[in-house]
Amino acid sequence: AQKVTQAQTEISVVEKEDVTLDCVYETRDTTYYLFWYKQPPSGELVFLIRRNSFDEQNEISGRYSWNFQKSTSSFNFTITASQVVDSAVYFCALVQAAGNKLTFGGGTRVLVKP
Amino acid sequence: AAGVIQSPRHLIKEKRETATLKCYPIPRHDTVYWYQQGPGQDPQFLISFYEKMQSDKGSIPDRFSAQQFSDYHSELNMSSLELGDSALYFCASSFEPSGANVLTFGAGSRLTVL
Repeated sequence: AQKVTQAQTEISVVEKEDVTLDCVYETRDTTYYLFWYKQPPSGELVFLIRRNSFDEQNEISGRYSWNFQKSTSSFNFTITASQVVDSAVYFCALVQAAGNKLTFGGGTRVLVKP
Repeated sequence: AAGVIQSPRHLIKEKRETATLKCYPIPRHDTVYWYQQGPGQDPQFLISFYEKMQSDKGSIPDRFSAQQFSDYHSELNMSSLELGDSALYFCASSFEPSGANVLTFGAGSRLTVL
């Protein structure tokens, strides 16, 4: 069985602070994919990044960066210089290579105050 | 670019009534997924279809049924509605049910059962 754990339920920061969201996963598969999705107050789910289990290279996209550590089964997400528009619920998710059924973590609500 | 279209966006029903949600995938996407997100919860996989055949099944109640039509759109039918069915229902689509393919989510259909 697969499991994704986001231990932080809510994080509150002041604009321009950095915020790191933790994600720890469990799977017996050797090949799998990890995702981060953003859910703003409007409700839609917005895809942010996908990582496959064989690619541990960290990635940076603008103010977003991701740290994938297979040894600790973690896929953490950092927002640098946060902005009010970053306020949302962020979900980490896992899917096995065969099939496409996403298992989501419980989500972390990020509140960025001006 | 065309996205996943869901209708209706909002739906209010009484207990024991029936509701139907529709999903139009991104053109050329042959796989459709349904997820249910209860208040304050993470999205839970319900069911998926690939080339008009059911490809995977999650925690979908027996009162719910779904199908994918020849034009690849999908409908989720919910009968004998209960208060606990109140949720945001997401449809997503991808090209083939592979973990390598990113799911694109629709904006969701919010069902309220009174």
